[in-house]
Amino acid sequence: SAVISQKPSRDICQRGTSLTIQCQVDSQVTMMFWYRQQPGQSLTLIATANQGSEATYESGFVIDKFPISRPNLTFSTLTVSNMSPEDSSIYLCSVGRGREIMNTEAFFGQGTRLTVV
Amino acid sequence: AQKITQTQPGMFVQEKEAVTLDCTYDTSDPSYGLFWYKQPSSGEMIFLIYQGSYDQQNATEGRYSLNFQKARKSANLVISASQLGDSAMYFCAMREAPGYKYIFGTGTRLKVLA
Repeated sequence: SAVISQKPSRDICQRGTSLTIQCQVDSQVTMMFWYRQQPGQSLTLIATANQGSEATYESGFVIDKFPISRPNLTFSTLTVSNMSPEDSSIYLCSVGRGREIMNTEAFFGQGTRLTVV
Repeated sequence: AQKITQTQPGMFVQEKEAVTLDCTYDTSDPSYGLFWYKQPSSGEMIFLIYQGSYDQQNATEGRYSLNFQKARKSANLVISASQLGDSAMYFCAMREAPGYKYIFGTGTRLKVLA
């Protein structure tokens, strides 16, 4: 298993500002994922962050709005830039082991509850 | 097209009864993995069970079993002997090449009645 520490757990931010969310894992992992989840809704994948390469963004998400860093195999950050109230959501960090091994579950952080006012 | 479809937004089940949560998926890749997660009101994501596309047997984990029908592309979760603590949101997810990312369905909210 993997233990994931995600910070901050929650924040209230002014529109137009940026927030950086940190994700620290207790062991080296190949793949890290960032998801967004509206309360009561599904998880929407924002991007996949692999160490040593640029993050891969899903349709509807762009690097200018959600820049991601992955400096090593245990850490990643997601920045929500130039925030608007529509960015209010829960942001989840997730990790997966062995991209070539299908039968490994994803582990999740506790999430960051973001409110933009 | 939706990769993962969960058609039951909400389900009720009586305590101690069994319940089936539906999940269908869409992929042309022969190698993929299917996962079920539970998300209680606390928000944490709890992994329940896994089924691989090449697995011959249906997966089981305690009170959870997966009814895998490959030809129909369905992977339904069966919870036996429901407990009040099973009340939560349940998500079906798929992992496939080449990105090996996890894609989630819309979820089913299960309420267990005493």
